[in-house]
Formats: sequence, structure tokens, C-alpha cells
Amino acid sequence: GEDVEQSLFLSVREGDSSVINCTYTDSSSTYLYWYKQEPGAGLQLLTYIFSNMDMKQDQRLTVLLNKKDKHLSLRIADTQTGDSAIYFCAESYAGNMLTFGGGTRLMVKP
Amino acid sequence: GAVVSQHPSRVICKSGTSVKIECRSLDFQATTMFWYRQFPKQSLMLMATSNEGSKATYEQGVEKDKFLINHASLTLSTLTVTSAHPEDSSFYICSAPEEPSGGERPDTQYFGPGTRLTVL
Repeated sequence: GEDVEQSLFLSVREGDSSVINCTYTDSSSTYLYWYKQEPGAGLQLLTYIFSNMDMKQDQRLTVLLNKKDKHLSLRIADTQTGDSAIYFCAESYAGNMLTFGGGTRLMVKP
Repeated sequence: GAVVSQHPSRVICKSGTSVKIECRSLDFQATTMFWYRQFPKQSLMLMATSNEGSKATYEQGVEKDKFLINHASLTLSTLTVTSAHPEDSSFYICSAPEEPSGGERPDTQYFGPGTRLTVL
């Protein structure tokens, strides 16, 4: 079956850039997503990338996709304390069901 | 934007009782809704796909008699945890996709805020 993996934890200082990495196994993935989950809350879609794209930038967020290596990353520029949360990558194939990674807990130190 | 609500947001119940969790799409119709379960400090696991007007589709390992799903209307799906036990304690999240756009972007999934179930 599909498998999506992420590192568990990342700590950065406020103002630095954060890079969260994700690998997936399903080569038929059509879309790859990044979601943010704040404590006790549901999920917030941050951004997504279509599988035929290499990069997508949206304000402070940059998504890089290496389809050959099945590697996805999320870069957050000028990380703020409000960015502290759990970040999930997810993939789907032409449909609605999502397969999630285990989540990366981002801690931003002032 | 579209909103999905869940009720209740928190519930504490005694072992052996049943708990119903509602998922509503507030300003759009959803023929399909998804139910996820999240254990502490873990990822979300898809439990089942709720289909309006037909039976839910359960993922492997999810007991359909334990987790009853009813998609009563185009805006409401309910998950009932029957005869709850402490190991059922978890964070349950539903999501509903918007209608297919037909374009080159994914159908947006709207997630509910989640329901934290604690079984004593």
C-alpha cells in the first residue's frame, strides 16, 4: 500500500527558515499536500502541488517536489512562533482519499 | 469558504456506552465524507468513506459494527462508536470534498475541527 513518511520533529529559531521533508512510495500520486494542525484543532490546508510540477511558491511557503526520488519538502521562510504546529504531508491519486504522513512537529524558539 | 462542522467537540463517556459524532457541511453538499482517527502524537488514519444514500466503505481493520456510519443527507454524516471502550479514546476528524472541479486542481477537502472522545 501507499506509505508516506516524515521526520518527527524540527526545531528552529524565529526568523530562520524551516524545511520539512516527506517521502512517499506511491508513484501514481497525483497531488501532494501540506496540512497544518495546531494543538487540539483540525487540519488546515496550507498548499498543494500537482505531480507534474517541481516547485510551487505561495508567500512564505515554498514546496519542492522531486518526483524521481518521491521526495516532497515544505520550506517556511522567516519562521514565526505562530508557525509552531504539526505539519502533515499527504498524497492522493486523482481522487479525494488522502494518505497522510506521520506529521512533523515544528517548534519555533523565540 | 466552505465550512465543515463537527459536534460535539469533546465528549467523555463511560465504557460500554455509545457515542454519536455528527459531521455537517454548512454551505455545500457532500455526497461523500471521510472519517479519520488520530491517536495522540500520530497521524490520521482513514477509517471509512461515508456515501450518501448507500453503505459506508470501511478501511481494512476497521470494525463496521463498532463504528456505525450513516450519511443521512447531503450535508450530514454521523459516526456512532458503539459500546465504547477506553481504547476507542481518540481524536476523530471528518472531511468533505467539494464537488469535482474538473480542472487541474485537486478537489478541495474541508476538514472538520475534530471531536475528542475520552472513554473512561
